[in-house]
Amino acid sequence: KAGVTQTPRYLIKTRGQQVTLSCSPISGHRSVSWYQQTPGQGLQFLFEYFSETQRNKGNFPGRFSGRQFSNSRSEMNVSTLELGDSALYLCASSSTGGDSEREKLFFGSGTQLSVL
Amino acid sequence: GESVGLHLPTLSVQEGDNSIINCAYSNSASDYFIWYKQESGKGPQFIIDIRSNMDKRQGQRVTVLLNKTVKHLSLQIAATQPGDSAVYFCAENTWDDKIIFGKGTRLHILP
Repeated sequence: KAGVTQTPRYLIKTRGQQVTLSCSPISGHRSVSWYQQTPGQGLQFLFEYFSETQRNKGNFPGRFSGRQFSNSRSEMNVSTLELGDSALYLCASSSTGGDSEREKLFFGSGTQLSVL
Repeated sequence: GESVGLHLPTLSVQEGDNSIINCAYSNSASDYFIWYKQESGKGPQFIIDIRSNMDKRQGQRVTVLLNKTVKHLSLQIAATQPGDSAVYFCAENTWDDKIIFGKGTRLHILP
């Protein structure tokens, strides 16, 4: 099976712009979670989607949003970018086969976003 | 804020020795804990997990210990190899079903 695929791998944007990141989960996985990783804060949970519905949400401002499509692919969007949004954005998928399988996350390699 | 933290940001271990990476968590209602390994340029990779009804679980060269009394989690790596160089994160599944990560420990392997 192919792993979790994130595109693009690198992005450079300027303040005030918006950005959309894409994630394709492992085939058969219906849950997709997004994390922001920075050197100072580590991995911070953004949100989780399951069957096209946001199932859980972290403590990020409304500028951060996401969605999931019927094929389980997910996108996250950041509007009005700020310098502090520079980070590695990681997507992870998990299967639906019971609690233990749901909780085991499989990560992509991330999208490195730089805001200038 | 983060409820899972690590005691040391960096750990250096001689090749062949055992490594012990520690983690403290604050949420006593968490019922599931996971260790991840992140190599440079890659996303975190699952290593081993443990449920709150267990206090020890072993994998291949790795052992996770859970002490619920003091809310402490550790990862032991036996016979550390150069390929074990990475950042290690502990994570917990919180009462509201979020997987929350600690800040990570960078493991350096000395030749």
